[in-house]
Amino acid sequence: DIVMTQAPLSVSVTPGESASISCRSSKSLLHSNGITYVYWYLQKPGKSPQLLIYRMSNLASGVPDRFSGSGSETDFTLKISRVEAEDVGIYYCGQLLENPYTFGAGTKLELK
Amino acid sequence: EVQLVESGGGLVQPGRSLKLSCVASGFTFSNYGMNWIRQAPGKGLEWVAYISSGSSYIYYAETVKGRFTISRDNAKNTLYLQMTSLRSEDTALYYCARKECFDYWGQGVMVTVSS
Repeated sequence: DIVMTQAPLSVSVTPGESASISCRSSKSLLHSNGITYVYWYLQKPGKSPQLLIYRMSNLASGVPDRFSGSGSETDFTLKISRVEAEDVGIYYCGQLLENPYTFGAGTKLELK
Repeated sequence: EVQLVESGGGLVQPGRSLKLSCVASGFTFSNYGMNWIRQAPGKGLEWVAYISSGSSYIYYAETVKGRFTISRDNAKNTLYLQMTSLRSEDTALYYCARKECFDYWGQGVMVTVSS
């Protein structure tokens, strides 16, 4: 199975500042079709997860452009610019290249 | 508006069975693959099973293979998860999620396996 490793496990950010979350996969997530199958989700407190970023760098519908995704074949970054109170929650990266689909352990974002 | 509403959870003894349902609305259900994903209390996300739009392709996590069965009824816009031989480690909040990218999630249904 592909292992997804996130860092840090928690981050505390001052509102208005930026935050970055890293995710590393144990195998390249770059498909021969040129698409990198890494996704980012946010689970706000007491809520279901929601899709933020798909295929490494594409913003999901309705997601503010303060969120961005980037990376290579095995190393990925979610960046949140100008963090707001509504961004609090647990961020998960996930690989959807092959079954079984797997997720990172999550990164908890809190406000200072 | 896309909506996914799970039901059928509850408290069940180890070794028993339970069937979850997920009713979809706001989109053409028969056009999309669907998934079950679970989250144990205080833990992260674990993908459980996937079924393609026409039920031709079905995949399971190794932890549930042979015990769980995913199915769907496109005429009823409903996704199912039949769970048998339940174990304590199956205790979790079970979500249904749309598409191979999990672009929409239900609110989840709790399954507790305990004697």
